[in-house]
Amino acid sequence: DADVTQTPRNRITKTGKRIMLECSQTKGHDRMYWYRQDPGLGLRLIYYSFDVKDINKGEISDGYSVSRQAQAKFSLSLESAIPNQTALYFCATTSGRATGELFFGEGSRLTVL
Amino acid sequence: GQNIDQPTEMTATEGAIVQINCTYQTSGFNGLFWYQQHAGEAPTFLSYNVLDGLEEKGRFSSFLSRSKGYSYLLLKELQMKDSASYLCAVLDSNYQLIWGAGTKLIIKP
Repeated sequence: DADVTQTPRNRITKTGKRIMLECSQTKGHDRMYWYRQDPGLGLRLIYYSFDVKDINKGEISDGYSVSRQAQAKFSLSLESAIPNQTALYFCATTSGRATGELFFGEGSRLTVL
Repeated sequence: GQNIDQPTEMTATEGAIVQINCTYQTSGFNGLFWYQQHAGEAPTFLSYNVLDGLEEKGRFSSFLSRSKGYSYLLLKELQMKDSASYLCAVLDSNYQLIWGAGTKLIIKP
């Protein structure tokens, strides 16, 4: 089993629908991240969390919200999906503040029609 | 602003050597990271440099010059499975990772 698991792996939805992407990890890491990846733009940070009570906005948080239900679980929600949120979404974890070695989930491909 | 530049795409021949460059301008520096990402898959960590010089790990090596804001990833004895995107990322003064857009490496037989 993967150390960082994302569900769903693929989702097609319609404009205006609410959608949740879930992430769970078995690495025991405190730090979790949500990124989106678009062709030619690289990885962009949406939200990150250093522990259950510490959640922070990234560079592109508008239109998204998150919930850290437990150390191992970090969910990303799109309250009202729009077509330009069509992207590949990655959850990632890391063990500490001073490390850039991230462990990524397999990705969730979201298409908003 | 913060910026990381790397070539969009490179082509190389199986068995050859390729060097992928990365230049950066960031608010502070706490390390430079290279990741490999096969199409449709998650990025995976390859290497880490925080001091100037060369770090070697099997067929892959990574070099850093902090004074020049420059790094490269060197891949030797290229194999078809090395066809992937290679992402350069810098950990800035706030310990946030700043990502380049990635270099797509195409290996030809």
